Amino acid sequence: GAVVSQHPSRVICKSGTSVKIECRSLDFQATTMFWYRQFPKQSLMLMATSNEGSKATYEQGVEKDKFLINHASLTLSTLTVTSAHPEDSSFYICSASSERERDEQFFGPGTRLTVL
Amino acid sequence: AQKVTQAQTEISVVEKEDVTLDCVYETRDTTYYLFWYKQPPSGELVFLIRRNSFDEQNEISGRYSWNFQKSTSSFNFTITASQVVDSAVYFCALSGGLTDSWGKFQFGAGTQVVVTP
Repeated sequence: GAVVSQHPSRVICKSGTSVKIECRSLDFQATTMFWYRQFPKQSLMLMATSNEGSKATYEQGVEKDKFLINHASLTLSTLTVTSAHPEDSSFYICSASSERERDEQFFGPGTRLTVL
Repeated sequence: AQKVTQAQTEISVVEKEDVTLDCVYETRDTTYYLFWYKQPPSGELVFLIRRNSFDEQNEISGRYSWNFQKSTSSFNFTITASQVVDSAVYFCALSGGLTDSWGKFQFGAGTQVVVTP
């Protein structure tokens, strides 16, 4: 299957700083990428949908000014957690699909964010 | 609205026992997709199966089998002869077929499977 990577896999930062997480599709062009968040011992919750070249669509309750999403190319989407606080500590997972394989979703390995 | 219910929070079994994970879903879409994923402690989601709403055939893959019952909106997953390596959290997920719900996964709460030697 197709490969989606995330970088970094793990990040620890101080409260108030911003953190950028990258999601890359390595062997296909991802027209749509999704960002999920998973708190400890909980399920994955969709945060936003990003389509290449357009603004992301955020789910209800997700602050778009806090979680900045950029999908500037067909192989890269970034999630920036601005002014991170301890409650933002979570596991962030992206998924991607292509226009040609719209029914297929490929998940990245996830990024574990810890805010001190 | 879409909803996936995994009523079992945790299931503990002894190695070689069978374990069945329940999944019940709700959707208004006539076309939709159902998935099962395994999440080991590392966190990475491992894809197990995808089934579309028009394919009600049950499937077997090695020690894994799935029972899709559209009449009861259930998509249950059975691990036969469980092994310690099967210990993980298992998620059932639903993705809609309509434009505004396409690709968006609604995950169940997950079921923690603990297999002891």
